[in-house]
Amino acid sequence: GENVEQHPSTLSVQEGDSAVIKCTYSDSASNYFPWYKQELGKRPQLIIDIRSNVGEKKDQRIAVTLNKTAKHFSLHITETQPEDSAVYFCAASMNSGNTPLVFGKGTRLSVIA
Amino acid sequence: GAVVSQHPSRVICKSGTSVKIECRSLDFQATTMFWYRQFPKKSLMLMATSNEGSKATYEQGVEKDKFLINHASLTLSTLTVTSAHPEDSSFYICSARDPPQGPQYFGPGTRLTVL
Repeated sequence: GENVEQHPSTLSVQEGDSAVIKCTYSDSASNYFPWYKQELGKRPQLIIDIRSNVGEKKDQRIAVTLNKTAKHFSLHITETQPEDSAVYFCAASMNSGNTPLVFGKGTRLSVIA
Repeated sequence: GAVVSQHPSRVICKSGTSVKIECRSLDFQATTMFWYRQFPKKSLMLMATSNEGSKATYEQGVEKDKFLINHASLTLSTLTVTSAHPEDSSFYICSARDPPQGPQYFGPGTRLTVL
């Protein structure tokens, strides 16, 4: 089955700097890669996703890149703000309705003002 | 995005009792829902895939007789933790995809504490 590795486990950046979180996956059949942000005690919130027919996707300060050949994808947050502080999870799955997401172990991002 | 609700949000029970958690898709129909468990400072671990009108598919290591799942309608799945013990204390979260090949949306979670 699918296995998702995520690095780093913790990341501290100064406000205004960029943050990059990287994930690798094992199943070449996976074709859907979402990123979730989870604040303490809250549900994971989808922040951006990418499908395997696209190499990069951007939404304001957030971007995701995908390298299918190498089986890795990354989350980029630019101009970080204190409210970006949270745990971020990457995930991978096949793009079908009954296929669950397999999550990475998460990255705790701290943005220092 | 799609809205998934969960009830209750928090429950405290004595060891040996059973607890039922409801997961509802509010503005869409979900033939498949997913149940995850999350321990403090850990990732989301898939417990089972709930299928409307048929048996749930459990992940390896998850006891199907302990974690009973029922998906009786296109908008409701329930997870019953039977004979709960302190080690079952965790954050239980359900999710569903909308549309079926679309993003996966999570409920707000249920924090279970077994004394």
